[in-house]
Amino acid sequence: AQSVTQLGSHVSVSEGALVLLRCNYSSSVPPYLFWYVQYPNQGLQLLLKYTTGATLVKGINGFEAEFKKSETSFHLTKPSAHMSDAAEYFCAVRKNRDDKIIFGKGTRLHILP
Amino acid sequence: GAVVSQHPSRVICKSGTSVKIECRSLDFQATTMFWYRQFPKQSLMLMATSNEGSKATYEQGVEKDKFLINHASLTLSTLTVTSAHPEDSSFYICSARESAGERTDTQYFGPGTRLTVL
Repeated sequence: AQSVTQLGSHVSVSEGALVLLRCNYSSSVPPYLFWYVQYPNQGLQLLLKYTTGATLVKGINGFEAEFKKSETSFHLTKPSAHMSDAAEYFCAVRKNRDDKIIFGKGTRLHILP
Repeated sequence: GAVVSQHPSRVICKSGTSVKIECRSLDFQATTMFWYRQFPKQSLMLMATSNEGSKATYEQGVEKDKFLINHASLTLSTLTVTSAHPEDSSFYICSARESAGERTDTQYFGPGTRLTVL
């Protein structure tokens, strides 16, 4: 069965600093991996996804994530944090195209001025 | 493109009443739609998978008679919370997956519906 573990329910970084949100997954087959962002009282917006091919995936708003099979990780990074990045971030995994998405518990990102 | 809407965005109802939430894919056809529930400061929990023209598949522990799902067309799925009680108060989010084309491996999420049962 697929599962996702997000390390740190809360992460605080200073504006302009590197953002690193950690995600490890468990999957019996090569997974589809996603990062979503959720702003207060809103739905989820897809940041980026990995399906096949290049392991470094670039998404919207300057975010990127790298699929590391050997570490079963898919950490999300952004070189320079902006105040508008403050939100809840969810890592998610799916076994295949037709399977359901399993979400991690989420990490709330706080940006310090 | 790939916009999913939900209506209403917020609803307050009395205990015992039924509430219907609509989920629409605005610019694409979605054979499959998903309904999630999110409690405050928690992750999304999948409630059911809705397939157009067939019965929904419910996750373990979700009462199908309480949470009625109808997916009558390729652009609309509805979730009806029957005889709602305060413990049903939550944020309900739907998502849709495109039926064909380049985006069939991505789910697009609606903005959510905040249900408060008094």
